[in-house]
Amino acid sequence: GNSVTQMEGPVTLSEEAFLTINCTYTATGYPSLFWYVQYPGEGLQLLLKATKADDKGSNKGFEATYRKETTSFHLEKGSVQVSDSAVYFCALSITGNQFYFGTGTSLTVIP
Amino acid sequence: GAGVSQSPSNKVTEKGKDVELRCDPISGHTALYWYRQSLGQGLEFLIYFQGNSAPDKSGLPSDRFSAERTGGSVSTLTIQRTQQEDSAVYLCASSLGRGDSYEQYFGPGTRLTVT
Repeated sequence: GNSVTQMEGPVTLSEEAFLTINCTYTATGYPSLFWYVQYPGEGLQLLLKATKADDKGSNKGFEATYRKETTSFHLEKGSVQVSDSAVYFCALSITGNQFYFGTGTSLTVIP
Repeated sequence: GAGVSQSPSNKVTEKGKDVELRCDPISGHTALYWYRQSLGQGLEFLIYFQGNSAPDKSGLPSDRFSAERTGGSVSTLTIQRTQQEDSAVYLCASSLGRGDSYEQYFGPGTRLTVT
């Protein structure tokens, strides 16, 4: 079947630290991969996406590379800020009919 | 104009009552999704509408849950005979429903509490 497994949180980092949130997937077809972010008190919003192998999605200093060989889509940022504190969700979709989300990883960045 | 809207934002109901949750998608978006987000859990897919096609109901957890979409726009999720385990945030999302990105735009959610 289709599923997403992401790193359990919560994650606490100091400002300017390097961030990695791991995400691996299982898919019956050829998925598109997504990272969504949910800031405190706000709805989910798309952070970045990649639609084929070796594509790199990037936005707001975050990056993730679609690795078919390792079925992974790890989220990285070189220097986190307090404003990056949020819950991050990895997701996949095969056809656009259904999206499969991970359980979310809570990130807290302290000054 | 605006994004996806949902109402009510909060709903407290007694066990056994029926509730209706409403979603207004972005104008022109043909695809609409309902999810449930329980405390400490990820998003659980419930149902998907695409244009005039029959909805994908494969995620509905029981026959107490139903949803409809009128005129290809507004959608209502109905939960009959609510149970305490139905307490969650119910999220609606819409998308253009075409292309290879299927980017979804989420509403703020309805927080349902069943007492």
